[in-house]
Amino acid sequence: DAKTTQPPSMDCAEGRAANLPCNHSTISGNEYVYWYRQIHSQGPQYIIHGLKNNETNEMASLIITEDRKSSTLILPHATLRDTAVYYCIVVRRALTFGSGTRLQVQP
Amino acid sequence: DAGVIQSPRHEVTEMGQEVTLRCKPISGHNSLFWYRQTMMRGLELLIYFNNNVPIDDSGMPEDRFSAKMPNASFSTLKIQPSEPRDSAVYFCASSSLTLLDRNSNQPQHFGDGTRLSIL
Repeated sequence: DAKTTQPPSMDCAEGRAANLPCNHSTISGNEYVYWYRQIHSQGPQYIIHGLKNNETNEMASLIITEDRKSSTLILPHATLRDTAVYYCIVVRRALTFGSGTRLQVQP
Repeated sequence: DAGVIQSPRHEVTEMGQEVTLRCKPISGHNSLFWYRQTMMRGLELLIYFNNNVPIDDSGMPEDRFSAKMPNASFSTLKIQPSEPRDSAVYFCASSSLTLLDRNSNQPQHFGDGTRLSIL
């Protein structure tokens, strides 16, 4: 599975969009990009995933560059409840979690 | 719909004792995963099953750890004998992934975990 690189932490103002970047320069053509988040003391929560095209669901949008070497998770209107560690994972079958990005949403 | 259900939520026991963690996957899911999370090592995959058959147990730390899936709706992770370094949060996850899937296009859904403390 390809390795991912994420900033260790980010801040975002409540109500503003949170843009979380992820680099995955060694991704293979058939590997999906997944995003999970983990709120303190809870299990990881699935957010969104994609292969080549941009994706959107009720939680977030996923923007994948044309060369697939990086992606951005967008939370359009961050709330205090979005404060969590966000994991970008490139996976073929099983998930390998890195250190993630600790997002702190500020009031 | 019920999510992945794990029990117990918390377990505190003395070293040397046998510990059994339980997991009920989401109905209809045919893949089940056990993970362990610690501050030092983060979230690690221990083992995963497909159609009740263990597929990859390379993450199981040592012979003290064993996992079973007797049927599609139940799995256990057992530690015998337990040691203080086994203290961690253990998560179970399930998905609709099949071995025929060349790509993992089925997300895993996690339970709330079991917080294990070995004294």
